Amino acid sequence: QVQLVESGGGLVKPGGSLRLSCAASGFTFSDYYMSWIRQAPGKGLEWVSYISSSSSYTNYADSVKGRFTISRDNAKNSLYLQMNSLRAEDTAVYYCARKMISADAFDIWGQGTMVTVSS
Amino acid sequence: EIVLTQSPATLSLSPGERATLSCRASQSVSSYLAWYQQKPGQAPRLLIYDASNRATGIPARFSGSGSGTDFTLTISSLEPEDFAVYYCQQRSNWLPDTFGQGTKLEIK
Repeated sequence: QVQLVESGGGLVKPGGSLRLSCAASGFTFSDYYMSWIRQAPGKGLEWVSYISSSSSYTNYADSVKGRFTISRDNAKNSLYLQMNSLRAEDTAVYYCARKMISADAFDIWGQGTMVTVSS
Repeated sequence: EIVLTQSPATLSLSPGERATLSCRASQSVSSYLAWYQQKPGQAPRLLIYDASNRATGIPARFSGSGSGTDFTLTISSLEPEDFAVYYCQQRSNWLPDTFGQGTKLEIK
């Protein structure tokens, strides 16, 4: 079935780095734009970044620009988020999500991976 | 950045009642608006895209309307499983996608 599975979350100290992965299955990964979206504990959803199907285009929220890098490997059906210079305010559940081809909405979400930035 | 403001923050209703949730954009997003449902400990689920189109498998009691800056999600007759948090989301060319702050639909 169509599925996204995130991994790589954990506890990291302020200023540290972490790399999140998202494994896709059940669909043609290379056809879709993909995004990372996060949710701080008890808070709402915040879009973080997107990457086009061929990696030609990327975009970032101002809150992570210059610190986070999104990438993908279509041969491995995988999406990544390299997070550097982490701050306490980056603490959140990070979801990868698929953007529909025919509309600007996220139709498939992973279960999320928790990132905690704390000393 | 386009700001989405959802109202009310909390809506208390009983099963069988009609729910009306609002989402207002700080500038026009045309019809590029989606609605999601999120239950505790779960990922969000897409309900409505392009303002009024139900996603695959979404029951007919969910409907969306609006364009420009004002949008509405209506649940015609609440089922027990509908009590959750609902978010709207927009996309605009060259600007970041944004989400509203959410409306919590709770059992009265």
